[in-house]
Amino acid sequence: DSGVTQTPKHLITATGQRVTLRCSPRSGDLSVYWYQQSLDQGLQFLIQYYNGEERAKGNILERFSAQQFPDLHSELNLSSLELGDSALYFCASSVGSGDETQYFGPGTRLLVL
Amino acid sequence: EDQVTQSPEALRLQEGESSSLNCSYTVSGLRGLFWYRQDPGKGPEFLFTLYSAGEEKEKERLKATLTKKESFLHITAPKPEDSATYLCAVQAGSARQLTFGSGTQLTVLP
Repeated sequence: DSGVTQTPKHLITATGQRVTLRCSPRSGDLSVYWYQQSLDQGLQFLIQYYNGEERAKGNILERFSAQQFPDLHSELNLSSLELGDSALYFCASSVGSGDETQYFGPGTRLLVL
Repeated sequence: EDQVTQSPEALRLQEGESSSLNCSYTVSGLRGLFWYRQDPGKGPEFLFTLYSAGEEKEKERLKATLTKKESFLHITAPKPEDSATYLCAVQAGSARQLTFGSGTQLTVLP
């Protein structure tokens, strides 16, 4: 158990809908990273927040957004969902915003029908 | 653009049969190379971080090494419970995120 929690574990929804994925980092960690894992793309970085502020952005679609709250939990919002958004979404956390090890949560499996 | 290539894609070993997994990388300014283990449907589990060429780290039956162009994950006398996908990732330049390879799926047969 890495200490990173994610909810829900599974999510099934329809195209065009909007969902919110939630992540709580390890105690003491200030950074949260979101990654998407699909069969054909592997693990891809989406976005990073550090102590409430956006710090880095990867291949995140405009339909996706995230935020980190004062209690340091983070939410990833996915809207206008398409079939291709079906994937595993992982949250990771680290102590600082730089070179520290990232510890991953158990993931949310999203299925868009 | 940072690139990470892992080989082989899949590896089947008999219990006790030692082997190595390879991770080659092309980056500008390596800051860290990370090994993770991932079981099906689960999140990646951290194994090792290597920072500079010549560095080695060990944990139970696993040993990770790093050169200027690649890293190896050596598995000594593997057991069936070592079956998993092993992921290599790099952090380089000014990037804060990890760039992952596509992984090696290891199966250890009893």
